[in-house]
Amino acid sequence: DVVMTQSPLSLPVTVGQPASISCRSNQNLVSSDGDTYLNWFQQRPGQSPRRLIYKVSNRDSGVPERFSGSGSGTDFTLRISRVEAEDVGLYYCMQGTHWPPTFGQGTKLEIK
Amino acid sequence: EVQLVESGGGVIRPGGSLRLSCAASGFTFDDHGMSWVRQVPGKGLEWVCGINWNGGSRNCIDSVKGRFTISRDNAKNSLDLQMNSLRVEDTALYHCVRGLRGIDSWGQGAPVTVSS
Repeated sequence: DVVMTQSPLSLPVTVGQPASISCRSNQNLVSSDGDTYLNWFQQRPGQSPRRLIYKVSNRDSGVPERFSGSGSGTDFTLRISRVEAEDVGLYYCMQGTHWPPTFGQGTKLEIK
Repeated sequence: EVQLVESGGGVIRPGGSLRLSCAASGFTFDDHGMSWVRQVPGKGLEWVCGINWNGGSRNCIDSVKGRFTISRDNAKNSLDLQMNSLRVEDTALYHCVRGLRGIDSWGQGAPVTVSS
């Protein structure tokens, strides 16, 4: 199975400051169809996960513009341009290119 | 609005069986592959089983193969997960999710506790 490694696992951030989460895979995530199935999810306390980003850099409907995704191959990043209090929670990357789909360990974002 | 509502969770002894169901609404059910993803409290997410739009292709992770079976009824907009020979390590919150490669909607989850 593809191993997804996130860093950092804990991310204390001051409101208004930027934040960045790295996700690395041990296999190239470019699919045979040419797409890269790398997704980012946010899980707020007490809630189910919510997808923020799909196929590396596409923001889901309703996701604030301060969230962006980038990367290619095996190295991906989720960036928050200016953290807000409502961004507290867990963030997961997930690959869907190789069977079975696998998730990163999760990064806990908290406000300083 | 996409809604996925799970039912059927509970407490069961090791070796027992449970059947989870997911009622889907707010979208054309048979346009989408569906999956089950589990989450151990305080730990991460694990994709368990997935099924394509018409049920012709289905797969599960190795640790549950031969014990779990995923199925769907497009006429009833429902997704099921039959879980047999349950183990303590199957204890988790089981989410019904829309999608296979690109999960885009999640249910609230059905708690499953396997304990003697």
